[in-house]
Amino acid sequence: GAGVSQSPSNKVTEKGKDVELRCDPISGHTALYWYRQRLGQGLEFLIYFQGNSAPDKSGLPSDRFSAERTGESVSTLTIQRTQQEDSAVYLCASSPRGQGLTYEQYFGPGTRLTVT
Amino acid sequence: GNSVTQMEGPVTLSEEAFLTINCTYTATGYPSLFWYVQYPGEGLQLLLKATKADDKGSNKGFEATYRKETTSFHLEKGSVQVSDSAVYFCALSTTSGTYKYIFGTGTRLKVLA
Repeated sequence: GAGVSQSPSNKVTEKGKDVELRCDPISGHTALYWYRQRLGQGLEFLIYFQGNSAPDKSGLPSDRFSAERTGESVSTLTIQRTQQEDSAVYLCASSPRGQGLTYEQYFGPGTRLTVT
Repeated sequence: GNSVTQMEGPVTLSEEAFLTINCTYTATGYPSLFWYVQYPGEGLQLLLKATKADDKGSNKGFEATYRKETTSFHLEKGSVQVSDSAVYFCALSTTSGTYKYIFGTGTRLKVLA
């Protein structure tokens, strides 16, 4: 079946511009996560959606970052007034939370964002 | 709070050498533990997992045992191959809070022929 997809795969933008990144989770997965991975570093949690519950936004680094998800479908991560330090790979993952703690996360290929 | 600490890389080994990548965690409750692998140019994928103390996860010759007494989940492989070159991430998920995962910073492994 189809995995998690993300678009665009690469995005180059000028400092100060807004960007929107998209994630299509696996159908039926209720949980969706966004992470940031800077070059040579680990995964930095950004935001978590679980069904219709209020999202956990505790990882968003500033108010320039926001994300939305409609129900259990597509999610968009928006970065306003991009800065060079926003350059990173943005990863989306989904999981079937209904299986309890044993569920794994299924990752998309990521969007590589470069801010010039 | 919950956290995962894994050994810094890079780790460079010769083919057929024994591999250990250390991972320790701090968590409330009884977390599930995972190892993810990221091959060059690819996305993260689950390598193995363990959901309770003393469980051993295994896959592709890799093993890790959930040790509650030492709060560890070290990754081992008896004989590495060049194709194992990748970045390995230790992670946990927990019933406290909102089920979000906590990832370690990753350990890069390079295997030389």
